[in-house]
Amino acid sequence: GQNIDQPTEMTATEGAIVQINCTYQTSGFNGLFWYQQHAGEAPTFLSYNVLDGLEEKGRFSSFLSRSKGYSYLLLKELQMKDSASYLCAVRERAGSYQLTFGKGTKLSVIP
Amino acid sequence: ETGVTQSPTHLIKTRGQQVTLRCSSQSGHNTVSWYQQALGQGPQFIFQYYREEENGRGNFPPRFSGLQFPNYSSELNVNALELDDSALYLCASSTGGFDGYTFGSGTRLTVV
Repeated sequence: GQNIDQPTEMTATEGAIVQINCTYQTSGFNGLFWYQQHAGEAPTFLSYNVLDGLEEKGRFSSFLSRSKGYSYLLLKELQMKDSASYLCAVRERAGSYQLTFGKGTKLSVIP
Repeated sequence: ETGVTQSPTHLIKTRGQQVTLRCSSQSGHNTVSWYQQALGQGPQFIFQYYREEENGRGNFPPRFSGLQFPNYSSELNVNALELDDSALYLCASSTGGFDGYTFGSGTRLTVV
């Protein structure tokens, strides 16, 4: 079956670094996505990993280990505006745009 | 035109009724998908359309149906509404690239 796990909630301090983990068990794998979703708004694309390793994009980095079924999103120099839900999603088949999402991690950034 | 636009933003319906939700895709996007997001959950895939044909469906009953039009706008229709259908419905479109979808802001449906 399909299973994508991530912590429900996390709290971190402004200016700090936070790592949000995601583990997945899916019937296929063709890429892992991270999205940010502010309350009441659309998810916005943050990163995409299909090969093992680290992808860096400004303050945000995402890591993937396919053999471990594991990814993390790293947020550096946290800002108050980073308070949001972070969604991990797996695409199981090449050529498909069906994503299987985790339940999301609600991140609260405090002063 | 940029962005994905959904209408209406909020909707209240009675159990047993039918509802149509609309999505205007970003220019050049020929693939559209619909997702249901219950409160506190991640989005769940309903179905996907490519060039007006359904080419993927999640674990949703047939009373969830859709259409994609030649201008790549689309509709999600839900018949015989149930209380559990209350959720945020998200439309997402793509050019077909690997960099994920562009999501609309969603329609918040409440079934009473």
